[in-house]
Amino acid sequence: TQLLEQSPQFLSIQEGENLTVYCNSSSVFSSLQWYRQEPGEGPVLLVTVVTGGEVKKLKRLTFQFGDARKDSSLHITAAQPGDTGLYLCAGRRGATNKLIFGTGTLLAVQP
Amino acid sequence: EAGVAQSPRYKIIEKRQSVAFWCNPISGHATLYWYQQILGQGPKLLIQFQNNGVVDDSQLPKDRFSAERLKGVDSTLKIQPAKLEDSAVYLCASSSSSGQETQYFGPGTRLLVL
Repeated sequence: TQLLEQSPQFLSIQEGENLTVYCNSSSVFSSLQWYRQEPGEGPVLLVTVVTGGEVKKLKRLTFQFGDARKDSSLHITAAQPGDTGLYLCAGRRGATNKLIFGTGTLLAVQP
Repeated sequence: EAGVAQSPRYKIIEKRQSVAFWCNPISGHATLYWYQQILGQGPKLLIQFQNNGVVDDSQLPKDRFSAERLKGVDSTLKIQPAKLEDSAVYLCASSSSSGQETQYFGPGTRLLVL
């Protein structure tokens, strides 16, 4: 059973376009993280959101945690080829450090 | 600061053979994790160590998979015998403690079982 569903699964866009990736669950998480994974590498942490309704910005990336702490979104403004990669959300339940990863969104930004 | 090291980077074996992966975590990190990432999916935790003790191995297929971290530093993950469905990337990660600390991932070992 996949607790965290991401959509879309695949996304191919042109440089300069905007996009949003969604991470949804029926379960409540104490915190949620977003990672980017490039080919041949492990996931790299982008951000952690903890409070319901929290919004964090990282340059052109905007992350939001849902009010009920069951879902999250990642919005990229003016995508660049360097944004290409697999985007993964991961949730924590309770006080443990166990991460439950989402299904992933593969993004390709064409120059 | 050196990151998490893993070897080998690639491995091709035939089904029913055995294989072992090695991980060297970031220096001083007490907690070590092994994940399995099947193509097109997110990583799935196989086992978590705190120093040399197992914290969580609930998703480790214990009939064929084993892992150890004898001295609380390096770790090895073994599969014996391998099945076709074991083809995946095996990621090692470490964190400074078992609390809500950032996990740092290695580059992974890509396993293909023929």
